[in-house]
Amino acid sequence: AQKVTQAQTEISVVEKEDVTLDCVYETRDTTYYLFWYKQPPSGELVFLIRRNSFDEQNEISGRYSWNFQKSTSSFNFTITASQVVDSAVYFCALRSGTGNQFYFGTGTSLTVIP
Amino acid sequence: NAGVTQTPKFRILKIGQSMTLQCTQDMNHNYMYWYRQDPGMGLKLIYYSVGAGITDKGEVPNGYNVSRSTTEDFPLRLELAAPSQTSVYFCATSGTGFYEQYFGPGTRLTVT
Repeated sequence: AQKVTQAQTEISVVEKEDVTLDCVYETRDTTYYLFWYKQPPSGELVFLIRRNSFDEQNEISGRYSWNFQKSTSSFNFTITASQVVDSAVYFCALRSGTGNQFYFGTGTSLTVIP
Repeated sequence: NAGVTQTPKFRILKIGQSMTLQCTQDMNHNYMYWYRQDPGMGLKLIYYSVGAGITDKGEVPNGYNVSRSTTEDFPLRLELAAPSQTSVYFCATSGTGFYEQYFGPGTRLTVT
């Protein structure tokens, strides 16, 4: 069974604080793919990053960084020096290496207070 | 390239009416998906397609139908609309290989 858990329903931070969004996944597959999407208040869903199960390298893109740890089945997302424009709902998703479906977490709503 | 387009953007239906939500992509992606997102909730998969002529049910298919006659189009049909179908509907595509999904802007549907 495939499952993604985002235990943090809502997070509020003050601008310029760092914040980490947690994502824990379950899968029995050895090959799988993990994703993060952003949904700003305007409603569209924006792809942020993809990570393959065989690549545990962390990734940094500007103020965003992702920490993938297979040992704990986690794929956490950190925003450094948060800004008001980071306010959005963030979704973590999993795709099996043998299937066609994507499995989404329930999302974490991030509010950055100016 | 327009990417993934959805029409209409908004629609209000009366209970029992029917309608078709349109989704068109110009990315030449084989995989297409329909999701619904209820207020404050995550995404639930309704139907998906791995190519023209092939469709399969997702988590919440009841009350919906789909067809995929071309690579570009993947319409979602609602028959006998019910208030429980009030939601935002997203269409998404994905290329061959295990790549990310790209989403359309969504259709906000209200059934009263």
